[in-house]
Amino acid sequence: QVQVVESGGGVVQPGRSLRLSCSTSGFDFSTSGMHWVRQAPGRGLEWVAVIFHDGSKKFYGDSVKGRFAISRDNSKNTLHLQMNSLRAEDTAIYYCARAAGFSYGHIDHWGQGTLVTVSS
Amino acid sequence: IVMTQTPLSLPVTPGEPASISCKSSQSLLHSEDGFTYLDWYLQKPGQSPQLLIYRTSYRASGVPDRFSGSGSGTDFTLTITRVEAEDVGIYYCMQRLEFPLTFGGGTKVDI
Repeated sequence: QVQVVESGGGVVQPGRSLRLSCSTSGFDFSTSGMHWVRQAPGRGLEWVAVIFHDGSKKFYGDSVKGRFAISRDNSKNTLHLQMNSLRAEDTAIYYCARAAGFSYGHIDHWGQGTLVTVSS
Repeated sequence: IVMTQTPLSLPVTPGEPASISCKSSQSLLHSEDGFTYLDWYLQKPGQSPQLLIYRTSYRASGVPDRFSGSGSGTDFTLTITRVEAEDVGIYYCMQRLEFPLTFGGGTKVDI
């Protein structure tokens, strides 16, 4: 079955960087777009970024544009989120999620999330 | 695109119907393919979100048929014909017409 497992979360100081990873299995990763979605403590869902199946296109939410970078390694079935210049407001659970189809389809599978805490 | 959900909180009674509204600040109708890019997700307590409805009215695999989505343009509704106890959680709408993709603020449904 489809599995999506995030890793790399933790506590980081403001201004520093962190790289999240998402390991996948149970489906053809190279034919699926992939999203990152986050949820601040006690808050709603916020879309972060999407990458097309072949990495050809990437789109970002306004609050992370220029600071975060989404990437993928289709040979390793792995998705990444490089987060730079982190701020307190980036504190959230970060979900890796599969898009239906090649690009930015609806999210049909979600990981369990990894918690990122930005604090001094 | 700003997504606005109402109500914020919805007390429900098992066996009774329930509905949630989602309004977008602009039409979600794609001019080329004719689809309307509005999805619904449910986040049960302590869990990751799960897909319920995509493209306004298409029920996701495994979703009970008591859930249905409707609407067009800027006004959308998620309807539960007969609420069950397992339906509690926070419901979110999401638009995928244009970037950045955006979620509604959520509607908390509880018994």
